[in-house]
Amino acid sequence: DAGVIQSPRHEVTEMGQEVTLRCKPISGHDYLFWYRQTMMRGLELLIYFNNNVPIDDSGMPEDRFSAKMPNASFSTLKIQPSEPRDSAVYFCASRLTSGRSYEQYFGPGTRLTVT
Amino acid sequence: QKEVEQDPGPLSVPEGAIVSLNCTYSNSAFQYFMWYRQYSRKGPELLMYTYSSGNKEDGRFTAQVDKSSKYISLFIRDSQPSDSATYLCAMRAQGAQKLVFGQGTRLTINP
Repeated sequence: DAGVIQSPRHEVTEMGQEVTLRCKPISGHDYLFWYRQTMMRGLELLIYFNNNVPIDDSGMPEDRFSAKMPNASFSTLKIQPSEPRDSAVYFCASRLTSGRSYEQYFGPGTRLTVT
Repeated sequence: QKEVEQDPGPLSVPEGAIVSLNCTYSNSAFQYFMWYRQYSRKGPELLMYTYSSGNKEDGRFTAQVDKSSKYISLFIRDSQPSDSATYLCAMRAQGAQKLVFGQGTRLTINP
């Protein structure tokens, strides 16, 4: 079975550019989470969706960040404009409520470098 | 003060040693406690899960939760070089979806 798929795996961009990260959750999962991981701050929840609806975006650092989930099999996290302090690994995770409800399945991450 | 505190290490031990990893937390509402393992350049994967207080054993791994002390532990017996990874504790409250993670402890098992 395919796990959570993220693209691109690596992204290098210049400050001020728009960055779009993509995620395909595990088929049938009804929750989708976006995380950011840095050495200084660890793994932080940015936003999560339930049945494609954003539920809690309190972790989104500022208005430069936005996330969408147009359908059950696709989500994007966009940063516009990007800044060097956005450099981090961004993870997408999905979960099925009726399954092992405590388990979130993580994708391989997108390593973002903003120069 | 962070809700979940975890010593980032690094921790280096010889193969075969018993490893103890710990987290403390401040939110008494946390009921679900998890340990994730993260290999280099990979996403975290669930290793152990415990609900409320008590112990749980799975092979060489044992998870303990002491809610009275707000303290959780992961023990690894007969540690192997393949156990070398970063271990993250995570927890959430009843009915909540948000997982709160510790900083992660980088562990190296030396052959």
